[in-house]
Amino acid sequence: KAGVTQTPRYLIKTRGQQVTLSCSPISGHRSVSWYQQTPGQGLQFLFEYFSETQRNKGNFPGRFSGRQFSNSRSEMNVSTLELGDSALYLCASSSGTGDEKLFFGSGTQLSVL
Amino acid sequence: GDSVTQMEGPVTLSEEAFLTINCTYTATGYPSLFWYVQYPGEGLQLLLKATKADDKGSNKGFEATYRKETTSFHLEKGSVQVSDSAVYFCALPAGGTSYGKLTFGQGTILTVHP
Repeated sequence: KAGVTQTPRYLIKTRGQQVTLSCSPISGHRSVSWYQQTPGQGLQFLFEYFSETQRNKGNFPGRFSGRQFSNSRSEMNVSTLELGDSALYLCASSSGTGDEKLFFGSGTQLSVL
Repeated sequence: GDSVTQMEGPVTLSEEAFLTINCTYTATGYPSLFWYVQYPGEGLQLLLKATKADDKGSNKGFEATYRKETTSFHLEKGSVQVSDSAVYFCALPAGGTSYGKLTFGQGTILTVHP
């Protein structure tokens, strides 16, 4: 069974640009969550999607948005990039039934210059 | 709100040494508890899980027991290997409607020398 796939693996952007990250969950999983990981703040929850609907949201500004498609694949978008957005963005999939056992991808390392 | 506190790191050990990484939690009720591991350049992997008081999760020689009376879930391994070098995270589901949301500890960096 294929794991969670995130693309691209690395991204370099400049301030003010926007970026889209992609996540393909494990086959059969309907929930996709996104996390931001930084050395200073650790792992912070961004949002969770289930059956194309956002069910849960963390405390991030509106520049961070996401969506989920009918095949459960998810994208995350960050507009008007700031230097502080540099981080490892991790996607996790699960059944979405409340078990909360998450399966993570390898992440997208975003650098904002 | 629910929270997790891990012991300060980093932790440096010699191969075959005994490992303990402390984790304590604050939560409403009795949530499931998790340990995740992150190897260099990779995402997080679920290491073990316990769902109720006195449950012992175990995997790859690692163990952790859900202690309700001390609100702890310490990670232990009897004999570490160089390949265990990684960052270890204790976690629990966030309170309320917590779909997809885990609250993580700050992580403990483990380095094992030959």
